Parts: sequence; structure tokens; C-alpha cells
Amino acid sequence: NAGVTQTPKFQVLKTGQSMTLQCAQDMNHNSMYWYRQDPGMGLRLIYYSASEGTTDKGEVPNGYNVSRLNKREFSLRLESAAPSQTSVYFCASSETGRGGAGNEQFFGPGTRLTVL
Amino acid sequence: AQKVTQAQTEISVVEKEDVTLDCVYETRDTTYYLFWYKQPPSGELVFLIRRNSFDEQNEISGRYSWNFQKSTSSFNFTITASQVVDSAVYFCALSERPGYSGGGADGLTFGKGTHLIIQP
Repeated sequence: NAGVTQTPKFQVLKTGQSMTLQCAQDMNHNSMYWYRQDPGMGLRLIYYSASEGTTDKGEVPNGYNVSRLNKREFSLRLESAAPSQTSVYFCASSETGRGGAGNEQFFGPGTRLTVL
Repeated sequence: AQKVTQAQTEISVVEKEDVTLDCVYETRDTTYYLFWYKQPPSGELVFLIRRNSFDEQNEISGRYSWNFQKSTSSFNFTITASQVVDSAVYFCALSERPGYSGGGADGLTFGKGTHLIIQP
């Protein structure tokens, strides 16, 4: 039981390049999330998915797109990376579905992204 | 909109001292959840506790205890007899009901974290 996995662990991009961060969970959770963590800022929600095929914007969605292709996987795409997107990205999952709230979120190990 | 404030950016104590990490939250929802997470130097996020807005009982788990006071909108975390392994960044977080603040997202709102350093 791996929990939440993320790939890659580290990535360096040049400004304007694109990439997709992958996230998968094996806990049969309905909800999945993408956060970014910047020094001194805590974690901020980028996008959220309550179930397969649905996504909602969080606090900082600009510059990102997401795909929830199935219950297990939730990917985050940077179409044209900018230095301001240098951050650590965390994926999380929980049992919470739309209309509910408050269950523990399980986090992946994070992806450290640098945009030059 | 919801907000979580952790005013202590960094705390440094000597091992075996007790230490309290403060957390103050803002929300207009009447049903909400509060969390504490630990982020050790290795970087992963470790869940410590969840408390819902209807349960103001204090919680104790070993050397850890939590004091939830709705009257002051606070959810403070105390470590008793601190150890070097407690050194980490600690985050307090809040979850409202989805859509309550006008958005559809059901995520956590985190404080900026408190960096706790336990010196041997």
C-alpha cells in the first residue's frame, strides 16, 4: 500500500517549457488535491477534484491545468513554465466528496520544481 | 474568506522544555474542521490531529496536547518534554464546507507554519 505517489521528485525547467506532474493514490479516495508550498507561505491549494471527471479551482490556479482521468490519478500541467512557479508541489487525497468536508488529507512526498 | 494565522515564525527551545504553538483561525462557517500537520526536515507532511467545530474537548496524545477554544478562535498545540525529534515545521489548517465561501473547492487553508527547533 503505497499511499500517495508523485513523479518526478525533482525537475528543472527553462522558462516557457511545459511539463506534467503525476500523482496517484491507492486508497480508493474520492477527492484529490494539488498544493504548492513556497518559503514562508505555507501550502496553497491550486486545484481540487471531488471525483473522476470533476475539477475546481483553488486559491492559486493561474498558469496550471489539471486532469482527473480516473479515480486513482490526478495530474497537474504547466503549459508554459515561469520562474514564479518554482515551488514544491504536493498532491493529496482524502475520502471527502462534494458536500462533505473535514477528513484527513494524505499527502504525497512532493515534487521540487525549479524554473530557470 | 477563511484564514489561519500562526504568528510564531520560529521557536527555539532546549530539549525537555514544554512548548506551545499558537494557531488562530477565521471563518464564518459554523461547521468547520481544524488540523495540525508536521513537516520534518525530510519534507513529507504528517497528519497529527483533526478537530471539528462541535467538539471543544481538549485532546492529549502522549506528549502532545491540543487546546481548542471557539471563544478565541484558537487551536493551540503543546508539546510536553520536547525532544530533538520534534524539530520540524508545524502547520495548522482549516477546512470549511465546500462552496461555503463561494468557491467549489474543498481544500485546506494552511497557516504559514511555525519552525520548531529543539536544541539538545
